[in-house]
Amino acid sequence: GQNIDQPTEMTATEGAIVQINCTYQTSGFNGLFWYQQHAGEAPTFLSYNVLDGLEEKGRFSSFLSRSKGYSYLLLKELQMKDSASYLCAVRPYSGGYQKVTFGIGTKLQVIP
Amino acid sequence: DGGITQSPKYLFRKEGQNVTLSCEQNLNHDAMYWYRQDPGQGLRLIYYSQIVNDFQKGDIAEGYSVSREKKESFPLTVTSAQKNPTAFYLCASTNLGGGSGQPQHFGDGTRLSIL
Repeated sequence: GQNIDQPTEMTATEGAIVQINCTYQTSGFNGLFWYQQHAGEAPTFLSYNVLDGLEEKGRFSSFLSRSKGYSYLLLKELQMKDSASYLCAVRPYSGGYQKVTFGIGTKLQVIP
Repeated sequence: DGGITQSPKYLFRKEGQNVTLSCEQNLNHDAMYWYRQDPGQGLRLIYYSQIVNDFQKGDIAEGYSVSREKKESFPLTVTSAQKNPTAFYLCASTNLGGGSGQPQHFGDGTRLSIL
């Protein structure tokens, strides 16, 4: 089966750095995605990791350790607009359909 | 601009009624997906399709049906057999070529409630 764990909620201060963790146990591994979802809106793609290491995209970075089944999303210089849910999603299989399994999401609240 | 359009944004279902949620994409994507999102739960896959006239059940297909008569369109019918249909429904699509890093693109969702 597939199991993805994320903290349910986090709070951080504007201007600070926050790290959102994701651990996974899946029957295979073919990549991990992070999405951002504002309340009542569609998820939007943030990052993709398939090899170990850090991927940086502006204020957002994502890290993967395949041997540990672990990833984190790092948000720097937090802004109020970063208040959203952050979804970790794992693609267990290679091949067609590109199916992914989503975690429950981490609701981040940025406070002044 | 290319994207995914879901309609309606809000939908109400009466007892014993079937309702259909629309999903159209102009991204020329091969694969399309329907997810259900409930509070405190992750996105759960209902149905997915790779090509026209082919689709597969996801993790929670009972009480739902789909069709894929055109590449651009993947409507979802919530039947009266689905006893707990109140949820936020999201349609997504992705390109199957270009490697495994292709993300899914989502529509704005349809919020379904029971009257």
